[in-house]
Amino acid sequence: EAQVTQNPRYLITVTGKKLTVTCSQNMNHEYMSWYRQDPGLGLRQIYYSMNVEVTDKGDVPEGYKVSRKEKRNFPLILESPSPNQTSLYFCASSPGRLNEKLFFGSGTQLSVL
Amino acid sequence: GENVEQHPSTLSVQEGDSAVIKCTYSDSASNYFPWYKQELGKGPQLIIDIRSNVGEKKDQRIAVTLNKTAKHFSLHITETQPEDSAVYFCAARPFSGGYNKLIFGAGTRLAVHP
Repeated sequence: EAQVTQNPRYLITVTGKKLTVTCSQNMNHEYMSWYRQDPGLGLRQIYYSMNVEVTDKGDVPEGYKVSRKEKRNFPLILESPSPNQTSLYFCASSPGRLNEKLFFGSGTQLSVL
Repeated sequence: GENVEQHPSTLSVQEGDSAVIKCTYSDSASNYFPWYKQELGKGPQLIIDIRSNVGEKKDQRIAVTLNKTAKHFSLHITETQPEDSAVYFCAARPFSGGYNKLIFGAGTRLAVHP
């Protein structure tokens, strides 16, 4: 089944404790991206990657890192999480080079205490 | 910066009625406008999209219209059914950044009552 898999689904952590949210897609898509969803703000792009070893900042990249060493994986790293990073996070991939027809994962609900 | 405004934030209709959600975008050079449906506990799912060189697109009970002059686009759902209940997001792709961004609206929660 074609899908984007994120883990974990839920995560509670404390301020400053490094964490990684994994994202994997099995559709051989080149384009992948991360979004955060907050009430009243819709989805905001954090980082995106147009191919292996090619990443770039979205609208809200501060406090986040990403890497794209393999085509299928695009992890999101929070080196020192803060409470304002409490949010619902989505990974997405697209069959084209650009952000059309995105396939989203099921989301990761992160709480930073 | 670029932004997309979406209205209404909540919409309640009776089964069988039509529902319309409207979005306005700021960058006149935007060239792609998708709509996503998000069911409870799931990620958004693309339901329909339109490019800037097209004025209208239909897919069964769903249609999207684009007015480039007014910089707004709308989602129309006819003959609504309870399974249409979800949060709907519009988005626009602005020219800035080489069309690498998607700017989403804040979402519309649609409730279809039997």
